[in-house]
Amino acid sequence: GESVGLHLPTLSVQEGDNSIINCAYSNSASDYFIWYKQESGKGPQFIIDIRSNMDKRQGQRVTVLLNKTVKHLSLQIAATQPGDSAVYFCAEGSPGYSTLTFGKGTMLLVSP
Amino acid sequence: SQTIHQWPATLVQPVGSPLSLECTVEGTSNPNLYWYRQAAGRGLQLLFYSVGIGQISSEVPQNLSASRPQDRQFILSSKKLLLSDSGFYLCAWSARLAGVSGANVLTFGAGSRLTVL
Repeated sequence: GESVGLHLPTLSVQEGDNSIINCAYSNSASDYFIWYKQESGKGPQFIIDIRSNMDKRQGQRVTVLLNKTVKHLSLQIAATQPGDSAVYFCAEGSPGYSTLTFGKGTMLLVSP
Repeated sequence: SQTIHQWPATLVQPVGSPLSLECTVEGTSNPNLYWYRQAAGRGLQLLFYSVGIGQISSEVPQNLSASRPQDRQFILSSKKLLLSDSGFYLCAWSARLAGVSGANVLTFGAGSRLTVL
C-alpha cells in the first residue's frame, strides 16, 4: 500500500506531559499494527506493535491502545521528553499481504 | 543480530542521469525486502517489495525499477532521473515467520537522500 501525502499534523507538548498520538485505519481485516518513530534525516524506528487479539500493550513509557470497533489506534507516551520529538507513524498489516500500509504521520514537538 | 545497510547516504544527480541505490541485509536468510520513498514532510510511499530472489512487486508505476540479484541484496535503479525522483529513499526488511501469513515488523535502513537537479 501507499501512504497518502498530506502535510503532517503537529502535536506540541511540554516536557513531562503525557502525549497521545492518534491514528485511524480503514481496513477492518487488518490484524497487525505498529508504531514507528522517525527522527529528522533518519529511518523509522520500531516503537511497539500490537495484534488484533489484544486491545492494549505496554512498553517502556509507551502504551498502544487498539479499538477495533471504530478502527482507531493510539500511542501514549508518558512523561514526554525532548528526545521524543520526532514524526510518529502508525502502520497496519493484513493476513496474506507482505506489506504494511503507513499512516500520514504526526509530528511531536516537545518543549523543555 | 540482523543489520541493514543502505548506500549511498546522500546523492546529488543531474536530470537524465542513472541511479543505483543498494541495500543489503546481514544476519538473516530469505527476508522480505522493501523500497519506500518519502517526500519532504510527508509519509512513506511503498515503491517495490520482494519476497525472494528475482521476485519484484511494483506498487507505483514510475521511472524506477528494482532488482534482487541475491537473497539479501536489493537494488533500486533508474536509467534517467527526473526532478520528481528527488526524495528520501528507505530500504527495509522483514522476516517471514512460520504460521504468520501477513506482514511482520519492518526494520528500516538509515535512508538515502537523493537530490535531482
